[in-house]
Amino acid sequence: EVQLVESGGGLVQTGRSLKLSCAASGFSFSDYHMTWVRQAPKKGLEWVATITYDGDRAYYRDSVKGRFTISRDNAKTTLYLQMDSLRFEDTATYYCAMGLTGSPHWGQGTLVTVSS
Amino acid sequence: DIVLTQSPALAVSLGQKTTMSCKTSQNVDNFGKSYIHWYQQKPGEQPKLLIYFASNLASQVPARFSGSGSERDFTLTINPVEADDVATYYCQQGWEFPLTFGSGTKLEIK
Repeated sequence: EVQLVESGGGLVQTGRSLKLSCAASGFSFSDYHMTWVRQAPKKGLEWVATITYDGDRAYYRDSVKGRFTISRDNAKTTLYLQMDSLRFEDTATYYCAMGLTGSPHWGQGTLVTVSS
Repeated sequence: DIVLTQSPALAVSLGQKTTMSCKTSQNVDNFGKSYIHWYQQKPGEQPKLLIYFASNLASQVPARFSGSGSERDFTLTINPVEADDVATYYCQQGWEFPLTFGSGTKLEIK
């Protein structure tokens, strides 16, 4: 059974950093691109970043470029999202998803709240 | 960026058929495949994939759900609607980065 379990969310001050993790199991992690998607409270879904299966390439939405870094450890079957210089508008539930798009497998999400 | 436009809300009676649309700002077809996916999201839950590449039913999704469309115009159909279908439905394009979602259609029961 595919499982994706996010962790690392919490309350953080503006300008500070936070690192999210997504522990994957039940599939061949190193064969799949992986993606982060976020959802601000009462808002819609927003793609954040994608990393290729081998970690060679990463893609970001403009609003997080230069502040967020997606990475992975295929040996540990874990996906990461390093978030620096956090802003109020980064407040959201962050989901990891298997694949690029059209993914049937998502984690339960981890809430990040950015506050002064 | 590719913009996906969805109607904000829909109200339908139980047992009836409903359709919801997703219109894209540019063609998302390539070699006969449409790079549009549909998700259902209930409050407090993660999104659930319903339809991939416009018309393919995801695993364990009831056959009441179906998808159609091409190029810039896509439709999700639920027939018949059940009480458990109350949720917000999102379309997503996987054609190019940045990947984008529609703003969602909230389905309510009359």
